[in-house]
Amino acid sequence: QVQLVQSGAEVKKPGSSVKVSCKASGDTFNSYAISWVRQAPGQGLEWMGRIPPMLRISDYAQKFQGRVTITADKSTSTAYMELSSLSSEDTAVYYCAGDRRGILTWGHGTMVTVSS
Amino acid sequence: EIVLTQSPDTLSLSPGERATLSCRASQSVGSSYLAWYQQKPGQAPRLLIYGASSRATGIPDSFSGSGSGTDFTLTISRLEPEDFAVYYCQQYGSSPYTFGQGTKLEIK
Repeated sequence: QVQLVQSGAEVKKPGSSVKVSCKASGDTFNSYAISWVRQAPGQGLEWMGRIPPMLRISDYAQKFQGRVTITADKSTSTAYMELSSLSSEDTAVYYCAGDRRGILTWGHGTMVTVSS
Repeated sequence: EIVLTQSPDTLSLSPGERATLSCRASQSVGSSYLAWYQQKPGQAPRLLIYGASSRATGIPDSFSGSGSGTDFTLTISRLEPEDFAVYYCQQYGSSPYTFGQGTKLEIK
């Protein structure tokens, strides 16, 4: 089963961008997609998008279209999520998840705080 | 997109009791592509059930899922102290994936 290790917490200014990494191990990187899900403090889960196996074209939730970019580097088995034009509403824990046909196995999460 | 509505928002029960959590979809979830996750404070969600009724690896048989189409249920047959947490349903039959708002299972 895949294990996922995410990068550390970030503090960002409004209007800036953040890039969170997710390094996979324990399974063949090309055999599953990577999804990204966020959770604002005290709130529920919100799916942002995914990059499919074999790193074909990413699929994004409409809410984040134009503001999120999900990429992956096969050589290092690492996926990335970059979110731009940050506002205080983007303060959340960002999770990557191994995605086998939509069934998610979660990383530990990365806290992103947006504050002036 | 498919909207998932969970009920109740909060469920107060005692250890040893049976818990029944509901998840209703705004349209049919194709091929029962419905999962349940458990989340404890400060932790990532954990997969419990996928395909509406299949238990994930290592999940005790006190957890069971049922349903199809638009109505799904997670049942915990006999509550243990460690089962008190927030539970989310998720559909993955169509993009975007969507989650219910969660049911908080608390100790009565």
